[in-house]
Parts: sequence; structure tokens; C-alpha cells
Amino acid sequence: DQQVKQNSPSLSVQEGRISILNCDYTNSMFDYFLWYKKYPAEGPTFLISISSIKDKNEDGRFTVFLNKSAKHLSLHIVPSQPGDSAVYFCAASGYSGYALNFGKGTSLLVTP
Amino acid sequence: DTEVTQTPKHLVMGMTNKKSLKCEQHMGHRAMYWYKQKAKKPPELMFVYSYEKLSINESVPSRFSPECPNSSLLNLHLHALQPEDSALYLCASSQGQTSGLREQFFGPGTRLTVL
Repeated sequence: DQQVKQNSPSLSVQEGRISILNCDYTNSMFDYFLWYKKYPAEGPTFLISISSIKDKNEDGRFTVFLNKSAKHLSLHIVPSQPGDSAVYFCAASGYSGYALNFGKGTSLLVTP
Repeated sequence: DTEVTQTPKHLVMGMTNKKSLKCEQHMGHRAMYWYKQKAKKPPELMFVYSYEKLSINESVPSRFSPECPNSSLLNLHLHALQPEDSALYLCASSQGQTSGLREQFFGPGTRLTVL
């Protein structure tokens, strides 16, 4: 049973515009959320994380928003660049800390 | 040094072979992980080592045998694999469990093909 869901398999955005990637989760025990970026044949690269005690975390062009009541988080990339084209995975972990539950990923294409 | 390294990058093996995957990190992280990723799927957790002790085994078949010789090294020994075990095997590490320390950093992976 998929506890972390990314319902959009793909997203296409023009360079310079905002990219918004969405993620929903079902397990209320999750208290830490992460976003990873992955290029083909490479390992995932950690982008940004957020604890459940916050509703926003920002790092440069990347901002993650958390809506606990809706069990929803989103990653905003502003401005989008062609180098951002990759698969983005949302992940969540609970109080045990160790296991990361991944969504199926969203493939982002940023066009010039 | 914020890198997790994995060797080999690619591995082709027969179903009767014995091989090992290696992972190394020098970030002082005390938790290390093995994941398996099939094409167009998210990574699936296989094993977790915490302070060099196996803490999680996600019901992985015994033909996969993990080993943590020290806090920087993690091995995955492979024996009598099946073609369906062909996948990208990812190693990751993290500082610990508390908030701010749970970020897992991944290596580039080993692309395994079982013939």
C-alpha cells in the first residue's frame, strides 16, 4: 500500500517559470519529509527537507510547503532552469527515523 | 567530504556466481542503508545498519547478505541471484534519527544484471 503518493507522473514547465510538484501521504505518523532529485543511472540527490513542526522551508530556489491537515506537501522551484529536468521523489519518515517511504516520482521537464 | 561511494558501477553476474557490492562514506554517519530500485519505480529499502548493527531487514531473501565491517563501510554479498534481482542497488547514509539528522545521502548506485 503506497503511503506516499505523487499523482502526477510528469510535468513540463518553461524556463524561468515556477515548477510545483505535489505529494500526498496517508500515514499520520510521518513527521519528516524530504525531496530528492534523480538523474537516470544516478543515485537520488537530497534537495530539501521539512519537519512536521514547520509549514515552510526555503533553500535558494527551492521551497517546500507542508499542510499537515491535508496531509499534503509541495515543492516549488523558482525560477525553473533546464538543469532542473529530472525525476523528483517525495519521501517521508516516521518516529522510528530510519525508513524512508518514497513516492513514485514526478518527471520534470524544463524547456528553454 | 559529503560523498557516498559505491563500487562497482556496473556488475553482470550469472545465477551461480558470488559477488559483493561495496559502499563507503566518510561523513561520520552512523546509519547506513541498502536500497533496491527497479526501472521507473521508487527505491525500496532492503537493510538498515545503525552503529554497525543490523537494525532493519525488510524481509529480504537470504541470497542477499549485508555486512558492516566498520562505521564507514557497508557491503552487500550476493549469491545465487535470480534474473529478477537485476536492478540499481543504492547505498545511503545518514547521521542519525533526530530531526535535522535524518537526511539520507545516496551513492551513485551499482547497476546489477543477473543472467
